[in-house]
Amino acid sequence: DTEVTQTPKHLVMGMTNKKSLKCEQHMGHRAMYWYKQKAKKPPELMFVYSYEKLSINESVPSRFSPECPNSSLLNLHLHALQPEDSALYLCASSPPRGAGELFFGEGSRLTVL
Amino acid sequence: GENVEQHPSTLSVQEGDSAVIKCTYSDSASNYFPWYKQELGKRPQLIIDIRSNVGEKKDQRIAVTLNKTAKHFSLHITETQPEDSAVYFCAVRGSYIPTFGRGTSLIVHP
Repeated sequence: DTEVTQTPKHLVMGMTNKKSLKCEQHMGHRAMYWYKQKAKKPPELMFVYSYEKLSINESVPSRFSPECPNSSLLNLHLHALQPEDSALYLCASSPPRGAGELFFGEGSRLTVL
Repeated sequence: GENVEQHPSTLSVQEGDSAVIKCTYSDSASNYFPWYKQELGKRPQLIIDIRSNVGEKKDQRIAVTLNKTAKHFSLHITETQPEDSAVYFCAVRGSYIPTFGRGTSLIVHP
């Protein structure tokens, strides 16, 4: 299995809703990432987990809450989002002893109404 | 932190022409330089990468060159085809997290 799988592919939510994005990989990668991407812009790093521990939080608002239940799973919990949070949310993973190749999931397209 | 500049932001070519995209970086300790292609509505996909101990790498119509002294690297696409139309991102990795360039929108006209 060489895939990073993200669900859901599309999500529409109101500003008072609580939802979660999920990411799964079974490649034995020990670093997992959340990126936010706006149209035609580069991916913007949000969080990095290394060996299931949060190692980087790029000053992301607390309405985004990451969770890494085990080495294969990564969640992003969403609460009280704003319309400007509408974007493509990409999960990625990288192998523990590689040069740094990122394996991206297909992304979750989020629309906040 | 690392600073990555990518040029041009938009590149329009005729089918069959060559396309070149350039990136410069600031951290001389950076040692891994991937290029990603992102089609509309899809994920970024790694198309070619180069490590700091290599000057050039080719894969069919795609090549990447690296000049460590000048701290720049380039993506070369020959015999462009309409399906090459996409946004291309360079990235630079040093100690930990990759830093992305701002992207180049490549348009190949049939």
